[in-house]
Amino acid sequence: EADIYQTPRYLVIGTGKKITLECSQTMGHDKMYWYQQDPGMELHLIHYSYGVNSTEKGDLSSESTVSRIRTEHFPLTLESARPSHTSQYLCASSLPGPGGSYTFGSGTRLTVV
Amino acid sequence: DAKTTQPNSMESNEEEPVHLPCNHSTISGTDYIHWYRQLPSQGPEYVIHGLTSNVNNRMASLAIAEDRKSSTLILHRATLRDAAVYYCILGRGGQGGKLIFGQGTELSVKP
Repeated sequence: EADIYQTPRYLVIGTGKKITLECSQTMGHDKMYWYQQDPGMELHLIHYSYGVNSTEKGDLSSESTVSRIRTEHFPLTLESARPSHTSQYLCASSLPGPGGSYTFGSGTRLTVV
Repeated sequence: DAKTTQPNSMESNEEEPVHLPCNHSTISGTDYIHWYRQLPSQGPEYVIHGLTSNVNNRMASLAIAEDRKSSTLILHRATLRDAAVYYCILGRGGQGGKLIFGQGTELSVKP
């Protein structure tokens, strides 16, 4: 079954460390997205990509960066983690167009201490 | 951005139908209406979407008003596993299909 995978599922890391959250999908979707969600709060779009070598910032400003050098892979990187980056990060992919449904990964719950 | 308005929370009894309302008075002609749900500690899950006509799938039904300014997600027989936050979102062509999530409706199901 086609799916979208995020690793790690949980991550506790010290302040100042560089981290990369992995996201891969097997559906051949061109569009991929990163959302950030604090506990009990709504999802905020922080990055999206319409295809290889295409990345855009989302509606919520984020210090993270993303890359898209392969269709199936959309990693998110924090160069220097801070406690304010503690949150859940959700990756998704979709078919093109406003009618394309999203498939979400299970998320990475990041804690920066 | 197109806004949707949903009640913050709703309650339902197990085995009974649930009607989750959504208002989207600024909807444009090419906007799709999407519904997703998010169970605790999980990523959102696609439920259903439609453009103009009512839609049915194995999870739910989507009833769209004739003027498209509102819609209703119908769960025909609520189960305890349907307890989740339900999001009604407009998929806008002008935004390249990006989905902007709002607060959603937290549905609780009583046994």
